[in-house]
Amino acid sequence: DTEVTQTPKHLVMGMTNKKSLKCEQHMGHRAMYWYKQKAKKPPELMFVYSYEKLSINESVPSRFSPECPNSSLLNLHLHALQPEDSALYLCASLPPGQGPNEQYFGPGTRLTVT
Amino acid sequence: AQTVTQSQPEMSVQEAETVTLSCTYDTSESNYYLFWYKQPPSRQMILVIRQEAYKQQNATENRFSVNFQKAAKSFSLKISDSQLGDTAMYFCAFHGQGGSEKLVFGKGTKLTVNP
Repeated sequence: DTEVTQTPKHLVMGMTNKKSLKCEQHMGHRAMYWYKQKAKKPPELMFVYSYEKLSINESVPSRFSPECPNSSLLNLHLHALQPEDSALYLCASLPPGQGPNEQYFGPGTRLTVT
Repeated sequence: AQTVTQSQPEMSVQEAETVTLSCTYDTSESNYYLFWYKQPPSRQMILVIRQEAYKQQNATENRFSVNFQKAAKSFSLKISDSQLGDTAMYFCAFHGQGGSEKLVFGKGTKLTVNP
């Protein structure tokens, strides 16, 4: 298995809803990432989990809550979102080993907040 | 902090021709990795090519090659024999070796290949 999967592909939610995004990889990667991407813009880093521990939080509002239950799974819990949170949410993972390496990206979840 | 600059927001090229996308970066690190990622419309972001800064030889992957000028901090991507499937956003990205797990992206270049 050499891919990062994300579910759901599309999500429409109201501002009072609670929903979760899911990301999985079974490549034994050491770090997992959440990015937010607006149209025609580069991905913006939100969170990084390294060896299942939160290592980077880019001052993301608390209405986004990440969770890493195990080394293969990454969740992003959403609550009380705003319309400006509508975007493509990308998950990525980083192979093990010393030094930098390329990140593997999932297909993303397109989120619409109404 | 590292920065990555892509000075061409949009480019177009005719099918079968060659196009070069520009990328410059700024860093004080001596060793790092550079990447070009491709994101087709409504499709997944995939790695096109990577370059390790300590390697002088320019990376090549089939029709894709880079011109890596370390002293000038330049990392351009050349696409030869352009195909319609090359139409995509292209992001240049930097990953340092200073312990950070962050990937620093440029703003992207939208490439359109015309038939």
